[in-house]
Amino acid sequence: QVRVEESGGHLVHPGRSLRLSCEDSGLSPHGIHWVRQAPGKGLEWVAAMAHDGIKKFYSDSVKGRFTISRDTADNKLYLEMSSLRPDDTALYYCATVRLLLEDGAFDFRGQGTMVTVSS
Amino acid sequence: SVLTQPPSASGTPGQTVTISCSGGKSNIGSNTVNWYQQVPGTAPKLLIFSHDQRPSGVPDRFSGSKSGTSASLAISALRSDDEADYFCASWDDHLNAVIFGGGTRVTVL
Repeated sequence: QVRVEESGGHLVHPGRSLRLSCEDSGLSPHGIHWVRQAPGKGLEWVAAMAHDGIKKFYSDSVKGRFTISRDTADNKLYLEMSSLRPDDTALYYCATVRLLLEDGAFDFRGQGTMVTVSS
Repeated sequence: SVLTQPPSASGTPGQTVTISCSGGKSNIGSNTVNWYQQVPGTAPKLLIFSHDQRPSGVPDRFSGSKSGTSASLAISALRSDDEADYFCASWDDHLNAVIFGGGTRVTVL
């Protein structure tokens, strides 16, 4: 079974950077997504990356500030976040692609990691 | 949200509740629709993918359909543990992004 665990979230000041990790003990053959949920709000898609690490997509709200990447040596996936803003405050989930990267169907495997951006 | 859902829906045990999800040509009109269930305090769970497919373990009380630029999720034989938030999602060809509906809170009366 593909199992992922998110980590790296904590309280940071606006404008600072943070890196989230997603440990994947059974790498999805199709790719990975990051999805976030602000407190009391709905789901917001953040970014996606194909299994080969080449094809990447970002939401307009994070484009140019966030970078999705993977390290095959340690089976980890990353979301590097810079120029953080208070509206980036959310619970961040990584999710494995079920069939196609570009179809919006993915499986949430972890409980998310909380990022709080506040001064 | 680019996908439009009603904020709430309700029913009594045993009834059928239907949730709509309205989009456009560049998303639902061109791509598959997926539905997620999120019980408060827990991570979302994929409920329906590719319009009408259920992952293993999802009961057949849950069914999805799509017509044109809209989709629906039906929950039949409603149970108290179906109380949750339900989100539709699809890929958008113009945005090159996954888009979610705003979510529908289902209450079992």
